[in-house]
Amino acid sequence: DTAVSQTPKYLVTQMGNDKSIKCEQNLGHDTMYWYKQDSKKFLKIMFSYNNKELIINETVPNRFSPKSPDKAHLNLHINSLELGDSAVYFCASSQDVGFGELFFGEGSRLTVL
Amino acid sequence: GNSVTQMEGPVTLSEEAFLTINCTYTATGYPSLFWYVQYPGEGLQLLLKATKADDKGSNKGFEATYRKETTSFHLEKGSVQVSDSAVYFCALGYNQGGKLIFGQGTELSVKP
Repeated sequence: DTAVSQTPKYLVTQMGNDKSIKCEQNLGHDTMYWYKQDSKKFLKIMFSYNNKELIINETVPNRFSPKSPDKAHLNLHINSLELGDSAVYFCASSQDVGFGELFFGEGSRLTVL
Repeated sequence: GNSVTQMEGPVTLSEEAFLTINCTYTATGYPSLFWYVQYPGEGLQLLLKATKADDKGSNKGFEATYRKETTSFHLEKGSVQVSDSAVYFCALGYNQGGKLIFGQGTELSVKP
């Protein structure tokens, strides 16, 4: 049973489209995150949520809107996709709002044409 | 601002060779330090961590010591295996919302 699962794993779309990536964790963790990994494998945090409340919003364009319907799910919706949005998006979770160990999903590779 | 710098990859070693991946950081206060590993096609996994100066983190034969005087957290392993081939990320974090600051990653390739 996958601890942190993301869907879809691969997403190819045209510029200007809107797309969503879904994330679910079955670890009972309180905190979830979205990280972006660019083509050079550089990882940067985008958002974190604790018990459905936004804690970190790391200067991300407002075309990106996270939504947490419950503490086990954190979805990422992206409007008006741009070429620079092409990346691998990782969802992660942790037990505490500080941090303990982060558990990452397998990533969702988004390609914008 | 806070940042993490790792040695450039890729690093290519023969099986049973000694591994060092350098990591230095710039930070205020007293962050915790981490090494994460990303195997091909997978998400990152925590490899080891150290929460204060002079702590040594260790796991699966890998070790790293939190050196405040040199602001370093170098990863070492005495004898690498082909199965250690992966990308290794050094990171720092504070007890504030779970934000980790990652280095750029170092790809390790181990040949039989």
